[in-house]
Amino acid sequence: RKEVEQDPGPFNVPEGATVAFNCTYSNSASQSFFWYRQDCRKEPKLLMSVYSSGNEDGRFTAQLNRASQYISLLIRDSKLSDSATYLCVVSFNQAGTALIFGKGTTLSVSS
Amino acid sequence: DGGITQSPKYLFRKEGQNVTLSCEQNLNHDAMYWYRQDPGQGLRLIYYSQIVNDFQKGDIAEGYSVSREKKESFPLTVTSAQKNPTAFYLCASLEAGRTGELFFGEGSRLTVL
Repeated sequence: RKEVEQDPGPFNVPEGATVAFNCTYSNSASQSFFWYRQDCRKEPKLLMSVYSSGNEDGRFTAQLNRASQYISLLIRDSKLSDSATYLCVVSFNQAGTALIFGKGTTLSVSS
Repeated sequence: DGGITQSPKYLFRKEGQNVTLSCEQNLNHDAMYWYRQDPGQGLRLIYYSQIVNDFQKGDIAEGYSVSREKKESFPLTVTSAQKNPTAFYLCASLEAGRTGELFFGEGSRLTVL
């Protein structure tokens, strides 16, 4: 069974905090990795792809550890607007058509 | 602006009735997908289509049907055979060569009374 596991949270943090989420996947043949963001009762939207070398987009940093089969998302200087559910997504084929979604980690940033 | 349009946004249905959810995209994407999301659950794939006139079952296809007669359109029918149809339904499309970058519609929230 192909599984993607995330800590559901919720993670409750104050503004300005740094928070990290992990996601583990069970299939070592996984090809591609992504983080999506989903606001309450809205559709998911791609936040960032995760590359083997790690990648950064402003306050967001994604890392991949193939040996341990996990990916991470680090958010620095949290904003109120970062409050959302973050979905870990793994692709099991090169075409990206076989996407497995984790259940998501909920982040709540408070002032 | 290009995007995916799902309708209706909210739908109420009595048990035993079929209902069809619309999904239209003007992104010129070949691949389209239907997912179901339940509270506290990840998205589960119902059906997907990589090309017109062809579609494949996903993980939870039982009780659902689809068609792909046009590139832009991928309607989903929730039949009376679906045991627990109340859920949030999301349609998505994928640009060829853009691995994993799904574009989602705003979703349709179906409630069975």
